[in-house]
Amino acid sequence: GAGVSQSPRYKVAKRGQDVALRCDPISGHVSLFWYQQALGQGPEFLTYFQNEAQLDKSGLPSDRFFAERPEGSVSTLKIQRTQQEDSAVYLCASSSEPSGGFFNYGYTFGSGTRLTVV
Amino acid sequence: TQLLEQSPQFLSIQEGENLTVYCNSSSVFSSLQWYRQEPGEGPVLLVTVVTGGEVKKLKRLTFQFGDARKDSSLHITAAQPGDTGLYLCAGYTSGTYKYIFGTGTRLKVLA
Repeated sequence: GAGVSQSPRYKVAKRGQDVALRCDPISGHVSLFWYQQALGQGPEFLTYFQNEAQLDKSGLPSDRFFAERPEGSVSTLKIQRTQQEDSAVYLCASSSEPSGGFFNYGYTFGSGTRLTVV
Repeated sequence: TQLLEQSPQFLSIQEGENLTVYCNSSSVFSSLQWYRQEPGEGPVLLVTVVTGGEVKKLKRLTFQFGDARKDSSLHITAAQPGDTGLYLCAGYTSGTYKYIFGTGTRLKVLA
């Protein structure tokens, strides 16, 4: 597609439920990031993929969070046993350039998935 | 822990006023980007600055990268209600894969 697509747009989960959030990056994009954003604040880094390799997962808040990108395109962020503090907007971003290069010209973001844990 | 601190955190101004948003860090960045985010949407890239001391203009928006590449500023001239949104700076420090965002500045321009 022309842009980064995330689904679902909204997800309400009962505490303790597992959820899976999907990201379809722009076709051919090498880099893919996941972020967590609280209301009115800047996005917080969760994890980075370069193709299918997860090169940095240092931002995942706990072992309940798991991300994968098995074929180097679509990515899924899974949260197990959701807690109320997991409520946030989860953003996905992609780029044709690998991260870590000297010239970084920014990323294209999806509209996010708003997760509410009740 | 966010390495990019933005100020002010909130700004509410009248249409036609000028404003400046600051993005500061103790770390050196190889490049910095500025984004604007509207409610219910992801951040949209406005500009990239690469060279220390660089100044870029985008209509009424002027972006500057500090000489030491540790800070940046965004100046808006004659703000309009359409400028309302969350402004974010972002970048990564050399040698890492982690692309990080600033704390954000929420701007509201009143008609």
